[in-house]
Amino acid sequence: SQKIEQNSEALNIQEGKTATLTCNYTNYSPAYLQWYRQDPGRGPVFLLLIRENEKEKRKERLKVTFDTTLKQSLFHITASQPADSATYLCASQGAGNMLTFGGGTRLMVKP
Amino acid sequence: EPEVTQTPSHQVTQMGQEVILRCVPISNHLYFYWYRQILGQKVEFLVSFYNNEISEKSEIFDDQFSVERPDGSNFTLKIRSTKLEDSAMYFCASSPQGVYSNQPQHFGDGTRLSIL
Repeated sequence: SQKIEQNSEALNIQEGKTATLTCNYTNYSPAYLQWYRQDPGRGPVFLLLIRENEKEKRKERLKVTFDTTLKQSLFHITASQPADSATYLCASQGAGNMLTFGGGTRLMVKP
Repeated sequence: EPEVTQTPSHQVTQMGQEVILRCVPISNHLYFYWYRQILGQKVEFLVSFYNNEISEKSEIFDDQFSVERPDGSNFTLKIRSTKLEDSAMYFCASSPQGVYSNQPQHFGDGTRLSIL
């Protein structure tokens, strides 16, 4: 069955550094991947979408890559700030009109 | 910016009771969804709804669950006879088009359902 996984449960980095989060998928080829941010007790908030024919997408300090050979997407936050601390979720279209989410990576940016 | 609103923010219910979770999707959106997130676990799809009918549902969405769009603005999730394992955050989401259109979904802040 199709799977989407985020290997790191938690990532701690120093303010100003680049955070890199990983999302891997198996047993299918998603047409796109989406990245969301989730703060404690809140709903996911959409950040970026990257299509399978796009190698890279940027939005301000955020960058997403999509490598169909490695079956992987990387999510980068450059010049990270304590306010970037949150859980980041990757998601793709599931087997139908739904999103399938990875388990999330909890990012902590320390001042 | 328009947003998805959910009420109540927290619902405490005795096991076996019926509960209705309410959502107001973004007004010009056509597709509506319910997801749930058990504490510390993944966001899981429950059901999608379009044109006044269910378009997809997961294995979780059994006969105890139902959805309804009773008027032009509300979208509800009913759990007929709640079980302890129904305790979770329930998120409503909406999108202008379906998942196949590559558009993001807009989520509400959820209802925390606690079954005693």
